[in-house]
Amino acid sequence: AQKITQTQPGMFVQEKEAVTLDCTYDTSDQSYGLFWYKQPSSGEMIFLIYQGSYDEQNATEGRYSLNFQKARKSANLVISASQLGDSAMYFCAMRVYTGTASKLTFGTGTRLQVTL
Amino acid sequence: ETGVTQTPRHLVMGMTNKKSLKCEQHLGHNAMYWYKQSAKKPLELMFVYSLEERVENNSVPSRFSPECPNSSHLFLHLHTLQPEDSALYLCASSLGGGNSYNEQFFGPGTRLTVL
Repeated sequence: AQKITQTQPGMFVQEKEAVTLDCTYDTSDQSYGLFWYKQPSSGEMIFLIYQGSYDEQNATEGRYSLNFQKARKSANLVISASQLGDSAMYFCAMRVYTGTASKLTFGTGTRLQVTL
Repeated sequence: ETGVTQTPRHLVMGMTNKKSLKCEQHLGHNAMYWYKQSAKKPLELMFVYSLEERVENNSVPSRFSPECPNSSHLFLHLHTLQPEDSALYLCASSLGGGNSYNEQFFGPGTRLTVL
């Protein structure tokens, strides 16, 4: 079975500072994908960044980067130069290819609060 | 309209009511998903449709009945729900069917309260 663990229920960061949100995963599959989503208070889940299990380089998307350490089974999200609009819930998720359907398994999320 | 839309955004219903949640995607995707998000719990995948065929049903009670009439529309029919079914129901869609790594795009969700 696949499992995603996010150990930080809440985080605070000052505006313009960088913050790291932790994510560890557990799977016996060799081929998988890791995603980060942002959920503002409005409810929709916004895709941020993706890392494939065979990707050799860490994924980056603008201010977001994914610190992928395969041996440790961790996929931490780094947000640089935090902005007030970054305040939201952040979810780490893993996709495993099942042969018939792709399933996303989510962690419990981290609530990030950006302060002045 | 662009992206993934869901209606209604909020729904309050009694345990004996019958209601339906609607999801529509304008992205040309061919896979659609229903998720349930309860307070302090991870998102739970409920159903997956790939090319309008249900390919995943995660032991969801029969009081939830999905319907996918075409690749752009997905419904979740509700009947005789329980208070513990109160949650945010999220719809998502993706390209490449259910077995690809393409990211899923989510709608804004329907906040359901069962009295």
